[in-house]
Amino acid sequence: DGGITQSPKYLFRKEGQNVTLSCEQNLNHDAMYWYRQDPGQGLRLIYYSQIVNDFQKGDIAEGYSVSREKKESFPLTVTSAQKNPTAFYLCASKLAGGPGEQFFGPGTRLTVL
Amino acid sequence: AQRVTQPEKLLSVFKGAPVELKCNYSYSGSPELFWYVQYSRQRLQLLLRHISRESIKGFTADLNKGETSFHLKKPFAQEEDSAMYYCALSGENTGFQKLVFGTGTRLLVSP
Repeated sequence: DGGITQSPKYLFRKEGQNVTLSCEQNLNHDAMYWYRQDPGQGLRLIYYSQIVNDFQKGDIAEGYSVSREKKESFPLTVTSAQKNPTAFYLCASKLAGGPGEQFFGPGTRLTVL
Repeated sequence: AQRVTQPEKLLSVFKGAPVELKCNYSYSGSPELFWYVQYSRQRLQLLLRHISRESIKGFTADLNKGETSFHLKKPFAQEEDSAMYYCALSGENTGFQKLVFGTGTRLLVSP
């Protein structure tokens, strides 16, 4: 089954804890993205990576960290520094170069208790 | 700065009625514009992009550079069109690697 997978589907965290969201793709895409989706605010870019071992901050990177050690994987860590982490997180990927389509994963809903 | 504005949070129409979801953008250059759709319990997916000039599921969108708009239209709405629609922009200043999304419009098509 090809595409982008995210795990877990639902995640609960206590305040003060770091948590890592998984994103894997087998589409052989170079670029990968993390977005946060909040009601009434659309999708906002957290981090993106165009190549292994390199990534750039998006518009709302504070309180988040990422790594890109493998082409297929782009995990997102939500740290305790993120003031309002409860949200729906979407991962996406696309081929490098040009204005191509981004393919999205099913999302992870994070709730901070 | 790049910005995408979708002025309507909710658009409610009856089946068979025409639909127009508005999208205005702000970008100094030649952008690429997209419409993404999220049906209930499904992942976000591309509906159409202006560069391909396609008609998907009866939807069309024309880029109007003078009015900086990319409105999504369908002449006769169907119940299965009910979904969340996002307009998005990609610019040459980022090598077309980043998408900027609007806040989305929920389309509700009633029988």
